[in-house]
Amino acid sequence: GQQVMQIPQYQHVQEGEDFTTYCNSSTTLSNIQWYKQRPGGHPVFLIQLVKSGEVKKQKRLTFQFGEAKKNSSLHITATQTTDVGTYFCAGPYAGGTSYGKLTFGQGTILTVHP
Amino acid sequence: GAGVSQSPSNKVTEKGKDVELRCDPISGHTALYWYRQSLGQGLEFLIYFQGNSAPDKSGLPSDRFSAERTGGSVSTLTIQRTQQEDSAVYLCASSLATGVGSPLHFGNGTRLTVT
Repeated sequence: GQQVMQIPQYQHVQEGEDFTTYCNSSTTLSNIQWYKQRPGGHPVFLIQLVKSGEVKKQKRLTFQFGEAKKNSSLHITATQTTDVGTYFCAGPYAGGTSYGKLTFGQGTILTVHP
Repeated sequence: GAGVSQSPSNKVTEKGKDVELRCDPISGHTALYWYRQSLGQGLEFLIYFQGNSAPDKSGLPSDRFSAERTGGSVSTLTIQRTQQEDSAVYLCASSLATGVGSPLHFGNGTRLTVT
């Protein structure tokens, strides 16, 4: 079945350093979504990418969707303590009758040291 | 407007007891999802509903787990004869529809502890 793999599992950075998390799918994705979960909270939608090679920016966050639509990345420039949390990518199942099923990566836990 | 509401927020139960978790999605959202998250882990897909039907139940861990949705709105996840490995946070999410352009809106979850 479809798998969405995310690396690294953990990332510790000093405040002001950059951070990147990578997401890889075993199958082509029609779209990919990114979520952030603060400690003790629930996942919150950040963005969705649909087009091959798409790049979107939200302030210090840059999201990319690969040309083959099988991988994606989230890059944070100059991290701040407010960036702490777990970042998940999620992609819809591409086949059968389960196209609504959204499969999440394992997440990358980001800690930022002030 | 109101977000996704889940109840109870916390549930402690004895091994072997049945529990029922409730999810009230955002009004007008046709798709509803159940995920399970163990401490420090990712989101494990359980089931999703499109309207009242569940096209994919493949994530339900065992036949002790069942879910239903009525009136295209409220959903309940029932766990029979609970086991300690069922302890986790159960997250419900809803979206306007499945597919492109429909992000998931999550509730705060139900933290289930089986003693």
